[in-house]
Amino acid sequence: SYELTQPPSVSVSPGQTASITCSGDKLGDKYASWYQQKPGQSPVLVIYQNTKRPSGVPERFSGSNSGNTATLTISGTQAMDEADYYCQAWDSSSVVFGGGTKLTVL
Amino acid sequence: QAQLVQSGAEVKKPGASVKVFCRASGYTFTDYGVTWVRQAPGQGLEWMGWIIAYNGHTDCARKFQGRVTMTTDTSMSTAYMELRSLGSDDTALYYCARADIVATIAAFDIWGQGTMVTVSS
Repeated sequence: SYELTQPPSVSVSPGQTASITCSGDKLGDKYASWYQQKPGQSPVLVIYQNTKRPSGVPERFSGSNSGNTATLTISGTQAMDEADYYCQAWDSSSVVFGGGTKLTVL
Repeated sequence: QAQLVQSGAEVKKPGASVKVFCRASGYTFTDYGVTWVRQAPGQGLEWMGWIIAYNGHTDCARKFQGRVTMTTDTSMSTAYMELRSLGSDDTALYYCARADIVATIAAFDIWGQGTMVTVSS
């Protein structure tokens, strides 16, 4: 079965750029989405179709996807961005989520 | 605005079934699909399956095949997910989410508040 691999944790200083990777076999041939989840809250879609931002998502969130790796980039990271982030893709009539990355802003 | 409201928390005994509903409002229900995702305590997101609202087509994760049934009532703009033969490892928060009708896009843009299902003897 298809797997997506994310680093368990990423740390970033306020105002700096955070990059969270998601690896999977030929992931660049699929659409990747990214979700943000804060404690006690439902997930929120922040990137879909590799690079698109839903309305209401700040411009500091961007995405890319090529080869075997999709990347979520948060520019000018703010304290409010501290959360768990999950990548996701569709493969063979099934949706797969990555294991999640805890982003710490310190 | 578009929103999904789910049914309340459930406590079930091992071997029982649970049925969760997800009521949509603020958008045309049949223009989208509904997906079901669960999250065990302290764990990540796990996709269960999805249903296209206008034609009832479903896809289900292999892990849940034969144990889960997803349906919709378009007259009520409501989706249902029934999970049978519950075990303790089914204890989780169950979410529904609105899904783009193009499966390969797999963008879940509106989420319900979650329904906690606890399986305990």
